[in-house]
Amino acid sequence: EAQVTQNPRYLITVTGKKLTVTCSQNMNHEYMSWYRQDPGLGLRQIYYSMNVEVTDKGDVPEGYKVSRKEKRNFPLILESPSPNQTSLYFCASTSSGDYNEQFFGPGTRLTVL
Amino acid sequence: KNEVEQSPQNLTAQEGEFITINCSYSVGISALHWLQQHPGGGIVSLFMLSSGKKKHGRLIATINIQEKHSSLHITASHPRDSAVYICAVRSRYGNKLVFGAGTILRVKS
Repeated sequence: EAQVTQNPRYLITVTGKKLTVTCSQNMNHEYMSWYRQDPGLGLRQIYYSMNVEVTDKGDVPEGYKVSRKEKRNFPLILESPSPNQTSLYFCASTSSGDYNEQFFGPGTRLTVL
Repeated sequence: KNEVEQSPQNLTAQEGEFITINCSYSVGISALHWLQQHPGGGIVSLFMLSSGKKKHGRLIATINIQEKHSSLHITASHPRDSAVYICAVRSRYGNKLVFGAGTILRVKS
């Protein structure tokens, strides 16, 4: 089954404690991205990756890091989380070609105390 | 002004009604996406458009590149269509995606 998986689904942590949210896709897609969703602000792109070892900033990259060492994985790293990073996070991968469909992961709800 | 504007913000319809959600954008784009987010939070891609019109079941999406406008239509609406519908555009000059604020649709039986 074609899917994007994220882990963990829920996480409560404290300010300053480094964390990683994993994202993996099994569709061999080149384009992957991370979004955060906040009430009243909608979805905003954090980082995206066009292919292995190619990443670029989205609209709200501050406080986040990403890496793309393999095509299937695109982890999101918060080196020193702060309460303003409390949010719902989505990873997505996008097929190439004419259809360009986006496949979203189930979301990770992060609370930083 | 946001780069992507959706209207209406909220929409309540009776089952069976024809529904239109609009998306206007201010930048040159290479593609426009329509997404559906269910009350549980999951997001599903409905359409990607770069020109013209696409249809899938009861859903129709159109785009007018010259007018920088897209519409999502739902024919014969049903309560299971209740969701948030989100428009997103990919800039012609990069690969970032910018999202509209979403339209909350409620279809009553």
